[in-house]
Amino acid sequence: KNEVEQSPQNLTAQEGEFITINCSYSVGISALHWLQQHPGGGIVSLFMLSSGKKKHGRLIATINIQEKHSSLHITASHPRDSAVYICAAGLMEYGNKLVFGAGTILRVKS
Amino acid sequence: DGGITQSPKYLFRKEGQNVTLSCEQNLNHDAMYWYRQDPGQGLRLIYYSQIVNDFQKGDIAEGYSVSREKKESFPLTVTSAQKNPTAFYLCASSGSGTSYETQYFGPGTRLLVL
Repeated sequence: KNEVEQSPQNLTAQEGEFITINCSYSVGISALHWLQQHPGGGIVSLFMLSSGKKKHGRLIATINIQEKHSSLHITASHPRDSAVYICAAGLMEYGNKLVFGAGTILRVKS
Repeated sequence: DGGITQSPKYLFRKEGQNVTLSCEQNLNHDAMYWYRQDPGQGLRLIYYSQIVNDFQKGDIAEGYSVSREKKESFPLTVTSAQKNPTAFYLCASSGSGTSYETQYFGPGTRLLVL
């Protein structure tokens, strides 16, 4: 079992829909990261969370430490949001290393 | 512009050959990382370095080697001992190497075996 699990693996949405991607982890964490990987392969960091909620434009990330769960929400989705979304956890038992989920492939249709 | 560069974009390896992937950063970061990405799997850590002339093995270091002679550079060599090297390789850097920091990624190198 992976220490970091994402769901769903694949997601297809219609433009304008509200999207939620989930990430759960099995042990205590120091930080939780959300990343976006574009079709060409480049990865950019979206958020780093250790508690609560963060918002940037149409993206919102939340984390519930007690439930060991984080969500990434996209409001008013657009075809340009199509990408792979990856969560990565700084698991305390691994020191400063990040453990990555397998990613969620998002396709937004116009 | 500050950032991380990786070269080449595509690399072909023959059986028994060692190949070296380049990673350079001008962000003045102390920590650098090499990850391997395979289809359907999360990124896996190969090696990381938090300071010049020091580096540690990650989860899948067998068949790989690195050096960190300069702060800006962290090349990865895929040796002939790596029996399944076909993958997408990503280099990243961060300020000092804690899990609280944003990691900045290069564009990646796709390695294929001939």
